Amino acid sequence: SYELTQPLSVSVALGQTARITCGGNNIGSKNVHWYQQKPGQAPVLVIYRDSNRPSGIPERFSGSNSGNTATLTISRAQAGDEADYYCQVWDSSTAAVFGGGTKLTVL
Amino acid sequence: QVQLVQSGAEVKKPGASVKVSCKASGYTFTSYGISWVRQAPGQGLEWMGWISAYNGNTNYAQKLQGRVTMTTDTSTSTAYMELRSLRSDDTAVYYCARDGGASHFDCWGQGTLVTVSS
Repeated sequence: SYELTQPLSVSVALGQTARITCGGNNIGSKNVHWYQQKPGQAPVLVIYRDSNRPSGIPERFSGSNSGNTATLTISRAQAGDEADYYCQVWDSSTAAVFGGGTKLTVL
Repeated sequence: QVQLVQSGAEVKKPGASVKVSCKASGYTFTSYGISWVRQAPGQGLEWMGWISAYNGNTNYAQKLQGRVTMTTDTSTSTAYMELRSLRSDDTAVYYCARDGGASHFDCWGQGTLVTVSS
């Protein structure tokens, strides 16, 4: 089965740029989606199909995907961006797969 | 606005079954599927399966095959997830999410805590 690898944690200084990676075999050939989950809340979609932002998601959130790594980039990080972030793909269009999640800390 | 509202928390004994509901509003129910995702305490997200609200086709995660059944009631725009033969490691928050079909999950329910304990 397909596996996605994320760093357990990423730290970023307030106002700086955070990058959260999601590794997978030839992930560049798949559509990658990203979710933000704050404590006690349901996940929220922040990026879909590699680099598209749903309405209501700030432009500070962007995504890219190539080769074996997809990346979620959060520019001008704010305290409110502290959360767990999960990447997700479909494996052969039959099973959704999530990465293990990355805890973002804003210092 | 698009909304998914789930049923309330459940406490079950090992070996029992649980059925969680997910009522959709704000969109044409049969134009999308519903995926179910669970999250054990302190753990990550685990996809459980998907059901088409259009024709009832299902696709379950391999590890849950035989224990899970997903259904829909189009008359009430409600999706259901039933999990049988519950074990302690089924203790988790269960989410439903709108799914365009092997795509992204753009709207999530608020979650339902299922606790399995003797």
